[in-house]
Amino acid sequence: SAVISQKPSRDICQRGTSLTIQCQVDSQVTMMFWYRQQPGQSLTLIATANQGSEATYESGFVIDKFPISRPNLTFSTLTVSNMSPEDSSIYLCSAVTGHGGTDTQYFGPGTRLTVL
Amino acid sequence: GESVGLHLPTLSVQEGDNSIINCAYSNSASDYFIWYKQESGKGPQFIIDIRSNMDKRQGQRVTVLLNKTVKHLSLQIAATQPGDSAVYFCAETVLGDYKLSFGAGTTVTVRA
Repeated sequence: SAVISQKPSRDICQRGTSLTIQCQVDSQVTMMFWYRQQPGQSLTLIATANQGSEATYESGFVIDKFPISRPNLTFSTLTVSNMSPEDSSIYLCSAVTGHGGTDTQYFGPGTRLTVL
Repeated sequence: GESVGLHLPTLSVQEGDNSIINCAYSNSASDYFIWYKQESGKGPQFIIDIRSNMDKRQGQRVTVLLNKTVKHLSLQIAATQPGDSAVYFCAETVLGDYKLSFGAGTTVTVRA
């Protein structure tokens, strides 16, 4: 399995500002993703972080709001732009890596964002 | 769109008993399923997975059953312990795609 870390672990931000979340994996991985988990809810995929090209966004998520970078095979960032209270959520990165012959997906600890 | 759903949002179980958590999925193209455990304040933790060419897979104290005919997935936890208290999510995807669709989550509470 992969060890995935995120920074910051939590933050409280003012509306209208932006926050960049970092995700670091301890080994090279082919696929990385970003998910959002709103309070008391399940996880929703935001986008696939593609190494060397633009991220692929899911319906309802756009690059201007959630720009993503992936400069190499172990690191990605997600920016939450022009924040509003509705952006208060847990943001999670994940990576796909080998597990007993089948690649599977592991998650970081999450970044807990509160927007005032 | 198609989604993964859970039959029961909460489950209370006596310590030492077996737990069964159910999940329904509707995307017939999904061929890979994962169960995650999420403790308060933490990210989802991988528990066990199963591919669609199997109908049962066992791990340590956990068993996942897959019924493709009725598109049903279940997680069985043997001899439930207080440390098993958490929210459990099932997720589905297509191998190679890996974009996960998650169920709503079942909160499991273990009574001492």
